[in-house]
Amino acid sequence: EVQLVESGGGLVKPGGSLRLSCAASGFTFSTYSMNWVRQAPGKGLEWISSISSSSTYIYYADSVKGRFTISRDSPKNSLYLQMNSLRAEDTAVYYCARAQGSIVGASTSLDYWGQGTLVTVSS
Amino acid sequence: QSALTQPASVSGSPGQSITISCTGTSSDVGGYNYVSWYQQYPGKAPKLMVYDVNKWPSGVSNRFSGSKSGNTASLTISGLQAEDEADYYCSSYTSSSTYVFGTGTKVTVL
Repeated sequence: EVQLVESGGGLVKPGGSLRLSCAASGFTFSTYSMNWVRQAPGKGLEWISSISSSSTYIYYADSVKGRFTISRDSPKNSLYLQMNSLRAEDTAVYYCARAQGSIVGASTSLDYWGQGTLVTVSS
Repeated sequence: QSALTQPASVSGSPGQSITISCTGTSSDVGGYNYVSWYQQYPGKAPKLMVYDVNKWPSGVSNRFSGSKSGNTASLTISGLQAEDEADYYCSSYTSSSTYVFGTGTKVTVL
């Protein structure tokens, strides 16, 4: 059974940093592109980043480019999101999601999702 | 990258069919056959319902069907059931190799 479990969320002050993790199991992690998607309270889904299976291709939404860094450790079956210079508008539930399909590492659909971890940016 | 445009809400009676639209541009919806649809219940993670415009993941009911014409994609739910009451999001691969979601549609079963 495919499982994705996020961790690392919490309360952080504006300008602070946080590192999210996503532990994957039940599939060959090293062969799939992975993504981070967030959802602000009461709002819609926002894709924020993807990383190809070999980490060769990495993409970011403009809203986080230069502040967030996606990475993966395939031997540990783990996906990460380093978030720096956090702002109030980064408050959201952060989901990791597996890419079912991909083109040059970019995702075309997301077939498995974790349950999410809440990040709150507030003073 | 701007979010794809969906109606805020759609409703229907049990047994009826409803259609949710998703409008983008030639750089996303119109340019590729990589439109997906997700169902989300409150407080839960999204679930993939349709991918590549009109394909079903394993285990998803064929009451959910997708289509596309030009820059607009659509999700049709046939034989509407109470359990279909949820939020639905479209999404698309984009020419920038990014991924964009729609604004979301709340489906209400009357």
